[in-house]
Amino acid sequence: AQSVTQLDSQVPVFEEAPVELRCNYSSSVSVYLFWYVQYPNQGLQLLLKYLSGSTLVESINGFEAEFNKSQTSFHLRKPSVHISDTAEYFCAVSDQVSGATNKLIFGTGTLLAVQP
Amino acid sequence: NAGVTQTPKFQVLKTGQSMTLQCAQDMNHEYMSWYRQDPGMGLRLIHYSVGAGITDQGEVPNGYNVSRSTTEDFPLRLLSAAPSQTSVYFCASSYSGLSSYNEQFFGPGTRLTVL
Repeated sequence: AQSVTQLDSQVPVFEEAPVELRCNYSSSVSVYLFWYVQYPNQGLQLLLKYLSGSTLVESINGFEAEFNKSQTSFHLRKPSVHISDTAEYFCAVSDQVSGATNKLIFGTGTLLAVQP
Repeated sequence: NAGVTQTPKFQVLKTGQSMTLQCAQDMNHEYMSWYRQDPGMGLRLIHYSVGAGITDQGEVPNGYNVSRSTTEDFPLRLLSAAPSQTSVYFCASSYSGLSSYNEQFFGPGTRLTVL
């Protein structure tokens, strides 16, 4: 079985500062990794994903995450945040064996609060 | 495409009442699922379906029933609501593939309060 740990429930940061949201996972099989974003009062949107290949993946709005197999981590980073990045961010894992079912295991979420 | 739609957006129930949360998608996705979101606990899988007529339990299935009579619809039934079922419920759908992951699309959610 897989599990996902997001140690930081809330991360306050000033606008234009860098940020890192931490995600660690555990699994006995190979996994796919994801970051989802949830803006206030909305559903979840896929931000970026790691399926295979390059361990560094990027989103269209400046976020990036790096898959580190030895540390079982998939931390999310952005070099300069904006007020509009304020949202809750969820890390999720899906094992490659159950690809047909697409079952996702989510972390508990990290609220990114960007202050002016 | 409307994507994944959920109704109602808000609902208040009394303990013991029953209701059905509706979920529909117009993307011809085989896979559909229901999650509940609770503060500090992230999203937890309730039930899922890999196609019409096929459903299975997720992490927290107790108190909920599902059926999948069509590809488009995947309703979630609460037979006897309890305060512990107060939550935000999300429906999601995706294509189903044996050898690759398919992006899941989430609905806007239903906020349920059980008094």
